[in-house]
Amino acid sequence: NAGVTQTPKFQVLKTGQSMTLQCAQDMNHNSMYWYRQDPGMGLRLIYYSASEGTTDKGEVPNGYNVSRLNKREFSLRLESAAPSQTSVYFCASSTDQNTEAFFGQGTRLTVV
Amino acid sequence: AQSVTQPDIHITVSEGASLELRCNYSYGATPYLFWYVQSPGQGLQLLLKYFSGDTLVQGIKGFEAEFKRSQSSFNLRKPSVHWSDAAEYFCAVVGTTGGFKTIFGAGTRLFVKA
Repeated sequence: NAGVTQTPKFQVLKTGQSMTLQCAQDMNHNSMYWYRQDPGMGLRLIYYSASEGTTDKGEVPNGYNVSRLNKREFSLRLESAAPSQTSVYFCASSTDQNTEAFFGQGTRLTVV
Repeated sequence: AQSVTQPDIHITVSEGASLELRCNYSYGATPYLFWYVQSPGQGLQLLLKYFSGDTLVQGIKGFEAEFKRSQSSFNLRKPSVHWSDAAEYFCAVVGTTGGFKTIFGAGTRLFVKA
């Protein structure tokens, strides 16, 4: 089983560039999430999608946008990357919002 | 708003020794509680979860956790640590009323010495 697949695994951007992180799950989950992980801060929720067609802001949404393209796919877009967005990004999915989450392998993003 | 505190940034234990990782939460009611483990360069994997019922829950890899409502705690334990348990451990809570979102603690990194 593929589970949750994120692409790319690594990315280096210059300040001001844009990019989209892709995420797909094959578990027929309703809910999907984007987190960022920074040292000493755990995982912070950027955006989530409780179900297909809905998206909501999490703790740290500024500088990001998301699209729930269909039930399988949930993308995260950085319109104008900043060094503060250097982080490891994780996509996750769950059956519903109050069940355990399954995580992708992460995308390590560096903004220079 | 819900929050999670893991007081220990890192812990070092000897192989074969017992382990307890602390987790305290803040929430108006009893939330759903989770422990996840992250090995270097990997995503998070669920160790165990508590929704209701028996306050002592068993998980994978020999881990267990005890929910204590009076202390708002959900501490993770293992009787005998193996070198392969070296990883980062995250406690997480999900609210049970409206706006279900998973909130993670900052994590505790476990080092195991021979």
